[in-house]
Amino acid sequence: SQQGEEDPQALSIQEGENATMNCSYKTSINNLQWYRQNSGRGLVHLILIRSNEREKHSGRLRVTLDTSKKSSSLLITASRAADTASYFCATDRSTGANSKLTFGKGITLSVRP
Amino acid sequence: NAGVTQTPKFQVLKTGQSMTLQCAQDMNHEYMSWYRQDPGMGLRLIHYSVGAGITDQGEVPNGYNVSRSTTEDFPLRLLSAAPSQTSVYFCASSSRDATQGAQYFGPGTRLTVL
Repeated sequence: SQQGEEDPQALSIQEGENATMNCSYKTSINNLQWYRQNSGRGLVHLILIRSNEREKHSGRLRVTLDTSKKSSSLLITASRAADTASYFCATDRSTGANSKLTFGKGITLSVRP
Repeated sequence: NAGVTQTPKFQVLKTGQSMTLQCAQDMNHEYMSWYRQDPGMGLRLIHYSVGAGITDQGEVPNGYNVSRSTTEDFPLRLLSAAPSQTSVYFCASSSRDATQGAQYFGPGTRLTVL
C-alpha cells in the first residue's frame, strides 16, 4: 500500500517560477525523503528530513514537515528546464537507518523554457 | 566509484522462463533493496537485505527470490516469468549509518514478459 501520496499528480510551470509539491502519509515515520527521476533513469536522492525537524534547505530546495498533519512539501525555487522530472516522496518507518522506504506515485513536473 | 550497477538494461522473456537480474554496489553499503516500478504505481519494494546472509520480503515478493552472499551483490531471481512481471526493476543500496539516509539507485532493468 502507498504510504506517501503526492499532490498534484502533474505540475507545469514557466522557467523561473517556484514549484511546490506536497506529500501526505498515513502512519508515524522516522524520516521522509524526496527523490527525483529523470525520464528513463534511476532515482536520485534530493533531501531527507527527520521526524524531529520542521524545515530543511539544500540549494534551491526547501522541504517542510508537519508531523501533526502527516504532510510534507517540497519547494523548488527559481525553476529551470533541467528540473523537468518526476518527483517522489518516500517515508521510512524503520527504527534504524533506512532499509525499507515506501514511495508515493510521484509528481510529474514540467518546466517550460 | 561506479555506485550501483544493474545488468542487463533490457530483457525480453517468454512466460515461464527464469532469469536473474544482477545488482552490485561498491560503496560497502549494508542495506540493499529491489523495487519494481509500474506506470502510475510508484516504486514498490520486492525484497530487501540488511546485510550478507540476511534477506526479507517487501510489499510484493511473490514470484521473486533473492540471496545475499556478499556485501556487494544482491541478485533478484524470477522463478517462472509471468506477463504481470513486466516492469522496470531498480536496485538500491544505503548505509546502515543512521546519520546517512539516502538510498542510491541503479539505472534499472526494463523487463518485458511475453
